[in-house]
Amino acid sequence: QVTLKESGPGMLQPSKTLSLTCSFSGFSLSTSGMVVSWIRQPSGKSLEWLAAIDWDGDKYYNPSLKSRLTVSKDTSNTQVFLKITSVDIADTATYYCARAKLGGALFDYWGQGVMVTVSS
Amino acid sequence: DIQMTQSPSVLSASVGDRVTLNCKASQNINKYLNWYQQKLGEAPKLLIYNTNNLQTGIPSRFSGSGSGTDYTLTISSLQPEDVATYFCFQHNSWYTFGAGTKLELK
Repeated sequence: QVTLKESGPGMLQPSKTLSLTCSFSGFSLSTSGMVVSWIRQPSGKSLEWLAAIDWDGDKYYNPSLKSRLTVSKDTSNTQVFLKITSVDIADTATYYCARAKLGGALFDYWGQGVMVTVSS
Repeated sequence: DIQMTQSPSVLSASVGDRVTLNCKASQNINKYLNWYQQKLGEAPKLLIYNTNNLQTGIPSRFSGSGSGTDYTLTISSLQPEDVATYFCFQHNSWYTFGAGTKLELK
């Protein structure tokens, strides 16, 4: 059974660095073709793909946010991390991690999402 | 950047209706178009991938079509559990979601 779960700070101040963790089970990120992506959704709005890391450790970033994003994974291939630097109010959103395979764009399993509020 | 425009933004329909949701890309996306369903308070769910491929476990009343810049999600007979927001998503050049169509019961 594939499951993913996001965790994060809940709230942080503008200009700080947001650190998020995606913990998953039921698959291994070391399996060829596997990809984990981060996607966010401000309340009541659409979705925005942020970043991805694949089974080979290759990393992909949304070009419009690339300078602020860092995606990584742990050596046991059961967790993926996302850091966003210099956050502001516009980064307030629910952050999801999602699994994909065979090319990375078919997000077939999603976490429940974690709400992050940026506020002073 | 490829922009995705969905129409209508809100659609009201009755149970049993045939429903069509539209998605238009700002350039040719070569059928690299997925549809996601998001119910209130839940994560999105993959319905259709690469224009017309039904994801495992999704009811056959859902279907997709299109090419070039214009794509459609059709629900052949609307059910109460289909009330949700539907997002199209292109993966031809990076990844972009549409703004969504909110489907309501009339």
